[in-house]
Amino acid sequence: AQKVTQAQTEISVVEKEDVTLDCVYETRDTTYYLFWYKQPPSGELVFLIRRNSFDEQNEISGRYSWNFQKSTSSFNFTITASQVVDSAVYFCALSEAEANAGKSTFGDGTTLTVKP
Amino acid sequence: NAGVTQTPKFQVLKTGQSMTLQCAQDMNHEYMSWYRQDPGMGLRLIHYSVGAGITDQGEVPNGYNVSRSTTEDFPLRLLSAAPSQTSVYFCASSPGGSGETQYFGPGTRLLVL
Repeated sequence: AQKVTQAQTEISVVEKEDVTLDCVYETRDTTYYLFWYKQPPSGELVFLIRRNSFDEQNEISGRYSWNFQKSTSSFNFTITASQVVDSAVYFCALSEAEANAGKSTFGDGTTLTVKP
Repeated sequence: NAGVTQTPKFQVLKTGQSMTLQCAQDMNHEYMSWYRQDPGMGLRLIHYSVGAGITDQGEVPNGYNVSRSTTEDFPLRLLSAAPSQTSVYFCASSPGGSGETQYFGPGTRLLVL
């Protein structure tokens, strides 16, 4: 069975600090997809990134970067020079190719608070 | 495009009442799903559909029914509401299978008294 663990329940940083959100996953599939979503205080879910299991290249998008390591089953998310607007709940999610049903297993989320 | 829409935004029910949460998408996506989000937890899958006329159970299906008569609509029915069903419900759609990004609706906040 697939499982996603986000061990950090809450993180609090001061603006301009860097912060890394951890995500560890379990799956028996060799082909799978990993996602990060942001849920700001307004409640909607905002897609941030999708990676497949065959692409371990790290990715950078502005202040956001993602480190995918199959050897440790981790897909960590780093925000550089955090801002107050980054305050949100961040979810990591896993989708197995075998299921092929457009559905995902989510972690419990990490609440990030960025203080001015 | 409106994307994924959900109605109502907020609903209060009494224990034992039934209701239907509406979900519609205008992106012609084949795949649709219903999730619930409880405080401090991630989203848990209730039911999903891979196309019109095809539905299946997710992780927490008890107390809920779904049907998919059209590509656009995927309503979620609560048969007899219980306080344990107090939650925020999200509907999502995607154009394909597991590798595709899911597009989420704004959510329905349900309170069962």
